[in-house]
Amino acid sequence: AQSVTQLGSHVSVSEGALVLLRCNYSSSVPPYLFWYVQYPNQGLQLLLKYTTGATLVKGINGFEAEFKKSETSFHLTKPSAHMSDAAEYFCAVSDLRAGTALIFGKGTTLSVSS
Amino acid sequence: NAGVMQNPRHLVRRRGQEARLRCSPMKGHSHVYWYRQLPEEGLKFMVYLQKENIIDESGMPKERFSAEFPKEGPSILRIQQVVRGDSAAYFCASSIPDRLTGELFFGEGSRLTVL
Repeated sequence: AQSVTQLGSHVSVSEGALVLLRCNYSSSVPPYLFWYVQYPNQGLQLLLKYTTGATLVKGINGFEAEFKKSETSFHLTKPSAHMSDAAEYFCAVSDLRAGTALIFGKGTTLSVSS
Repeated sequence: NAGVMQNPRHLVRRRGQEARLRCSPMKGHSHVYWYRQLPEEGLKFMVYLQKENIIDESGMPKERFSAEFPKEGPSILRIQQVVRGDSAAYFCASSIPDRLTGELFFGEGSRLTVL
């Protein structure tokens, strides 16, 4: 069975600092990996995804993530945090070849201070 | 707006009543997914449907919960005889049947409060 672990339920950074949100997955087959962002009282919005090909994936709002098979990781980074980045971030995994739905981690709340 | 539409956005029910949550997928999408979100627990998969077909209901509680996606009209998540533990945000997502992208498009959720 697939699963996702997000290390750190809360991460706090200063504006302009590096953002690093950690995600490790478990999958018996090559996974498809996703990061979604959720702003208060809203639905989830896709930030970026890895399916095949280049392991460094760039997404919206300056975020990127790198798929590392040897570490079973898909950490999300942004070089310089902005106040508007404060939100909850979810990592998700799926095995579309099996026709399954996305399995989400528990989420990481990012706080950005000025 | 051609996004995933959920209604109602907020629903209050007393214990023992029924809750019906509706989801209209994005235009052209034939797959619908329901997730439940509880604080500190992330999103839990409940059920995956295509038109007139339940594909995967492995995340659905065995009792009181049911889902449908009829040929015409929205998908409906139905909770009978609600209890306080059913209070949560319920999110619907939709997708095209494209196994190369896997992206789900989410609605803004329906927040159920059980008194």
